[in-house]
Parts: sequence; C-alpha cells; structure tokens
Amino acid sequence: SYVLTQPPSVSVAPGETARIPCGGDNIRAKSVHWYQQKPGQAPVVVIYYDSGRPSGIPDRYSGSKSGNTATLTVSRVEAGDEADYYCQVWDSSSDRVFGGGTKLTVV
Amino acid sequence: EVQLVESGGGLVQPGGSLRLSCAASGFTLSAYWMHWVRQTPGKGLVWVSRINPDGSSTNYADSVRGRFTVSRDNAKNTLYLQMSSLRADDTGIYYCVRDLGSPNYYDNTAYFSDWGQGSLVTVSS
Repeated sequence: SYVLTQPPSVSVAPGETARIPCGGDNIRAKSVHWYQQKPGQAPVVVIYYDSGRPSGIPDRYSGSKSGNTATLTVSRVEAGDEADYYCQVWDSSSDRVFGGGTKLTVV
Repeated sequence: EVQLVESGGGLVQPGGSLRLSCAASGFTLSAYWMHWVRQTPGKGLVWVSRINPDGSSTNYADSVRGRFTVSRDNAKNTLYLQMSSLRADDTGIYYCVRDLGSPNYYDNTAYFSDWGQGSLVTVSS
C-alpha cells in the first residue's frame, strides 16, 4: 500500500514561516491536497491540486512539490494556525491515502 | 450552504453491527461521489469507502471490505454505511465526505470539499 510520511510535529514562533513536508514515492506525479483540522472540528481543505487555494483560505498558505516531497508552507504564522495538517493523494493500491498528520504548534 | 450530518454512531460490542447515516443538504446529492473517512487517535485519517452518484459502483479499504457496505438513497438525500462484524480497531469518528470530482467518472485526483461533523463509533465489550 502507498505511504505518505509526515513529521508528527512542527513548531514555529508567531510571524515565522512553517513548512510541513509530505513524502511519498513518485509524489511528483500525483495531485496533492492538504487539510487543516482544529480540535473538535472536521478537516477543511486549505490547498488543493498541489498549490491551489480555496476561497476563504489566506494567501499565507501555499503548496509546492519537489522531488519526492510535497510541502505545505504557512507564512507569517498566527496563533489561529495551530492545528493538525494532513496531506492526501490517490494511489491505485489504496485509493485515497492520507499522511499521518502533523501538529503545528505556535510557540 | 452545504451540510452533511452523520448519525447512528454509538457503543457496540465486538462482532456487532451498526448503521451510520449521513443526511445531505444544500446540494444535489445525486451529482456527487461520496466517501466515508475514519479517524482514530493512533492512525489519523483513513479512507474507508466510496460510492458513485447513482449507487452502482462502490469501493472499500482492505481493512473493511466484506464487512462494511456503503449505499445511498438520493431521493432521501442520504448516504449510509452498514458496518458488521465490528472489531475494536474499527473504533473512531466516521466522517461523511463529499468529493468534488466529475459525476460521470471517478476522478481520483479530486479533493474532499465538504465534511460532516463526524459520528463516533466505539467497539468495546
């Protein structure tokens, strides 16, 4: 089965830039989506198709891919950005696949 | 406004059954692929199942295939997940999720545009 690897946690100071990686075999050939989940709430898409941003998502959120890694970048981090973030792709072996999630902490 | 409201969760003994429902509103259910996604504390988000717009095609994660059945009643704007032979590792929050892909074919690149609030299923004796 296909595996997406994310670090369990990322910490950043307010105003700094957070980068959350998502590694997967041949991820460059896949469409990557990113979801934000705050405590007690359902996930919400923040980046779709690698780098697209839904309406209502601040332009501080961006997505990119390089090699076997996709990256969610949150610039000028605010306390309200604290959440769990999940990457997601499709693979023929597993259908929709999620990464294990990364907890973003604003310290 | 798109709304997805799950119901039917609860405590069930190992080996038991449970049926989840998801009431959809604010959009035409019959035009969308729909999915169930499970969240457990230890394993994050896990895709469980999908169903095509008219209910004629389904797919399941290996961990639930043969035990879970997804179905829909578009006239009632409702999605279902029938779960049987439940195990402890089926415990989690089950989300009903809308796929924003084409209704005419399975767009496996599509993202999950809308999620319900989730229904908690606890399998324990």
